[in-house]
Amino acid sequence: SQKIEQNSEALNIQEGKTATLTCNYTNYSPAYLQWYRQDPGRGPVFLLLIRENEKEKRKERLKVTFDTTLKQSLFHITASQPADSATYLCALNDYKLSFGAGTTVTVRA
Amino acid sequence: GAVVSQHPSRVICKSGTSVKIECRSLDFQATTMFWYRQFPKQSLMLMATSNEGSKATYEQGVEKDKFLINHASLTLSTLTVTSAHPEDSSFYICSARDGLVETNEKLFFGSGTQLSVL
Repeated sequence: SQKIEQNSEALNIQEGKTATLTCNYTNYSPAYLQWYRQDPGRGPVFLLLIRENEKEKRKERLKVTFDTTLKQSLFHITASQPADSATYLCALNDYKLSFGAGTTVTVRA
Repeated sequence: GAVVSQHPSRVICKSGTSVKIECRSLDFQATTMFWYRQFPKQSLMLMATSNEGSKATYEQGVEKDKFLINHASLTLSTLTVTSAHPEDSSFYICSARDGLVETNEKLFFGSGTQLSVL
C-alpha cells in the first residue's frame, strides 16, 4: 500500500506570508489527490482535489500542485491569516482513501 | 455542502461496557460510509467500509466482533464498540460519499467522537 509522508509536522508562519506544505507518496501515482483541513477535536473538511492530469488547482487563497514524476503534491496558503491555523491532511486513493499524518500550521498575527 | 452528523461527540464509559456511535448523512444518500480511528498527532486509520444493506468490510487487524457496524439505511450507519477497554480509547470519525454525485471522490466527515474508557 502507499506510504504517504507529509514532511513537516508543524509549520509556524507570520500572518500574510505563504505557507507551503509537502505531501510525498511512494508507490504508483493515484488518479487523484485530495487535501483536507482538520481543526482540533473535529473531523476533516474537504478543501481541494487535483487529478493526475492536472498540474495545478486553485481555490481562493489555496493552491495545489501535483507532480507525478516527483510523486509529490504541494499545498500553498497565500496571504495566510490566523484563521488558517489548523492541521492539513493530504489523502490519495489506493484501494481506499489513505491519509497522511498531517502538518499543523500556526499563523501568528 | 453535504452534512454528516455524528453523535455523541464525547463519551466516557467504564471498561466492559458497549458504546454505540451514530453517523447520519443529513441531506444526501450515503450508500457507502467509512469509519476511521485517529490517535493524537497521527493520521486517520480506516477501520471499515460500511455499505448500505450489506456486511461491512473490515481492514486488516480490525476485529469485526469488537467493532460492530450496521448500515441499515442510506442515511445511517452505526459503530458499536463492544466490551470497551482502555486501549479502545481514541477519536472515532465517520465519513460518507454522496452516492448521487457522479464525481463523488471527496468525503464528508462527521465531527468525530472522543471515546474514553476508564
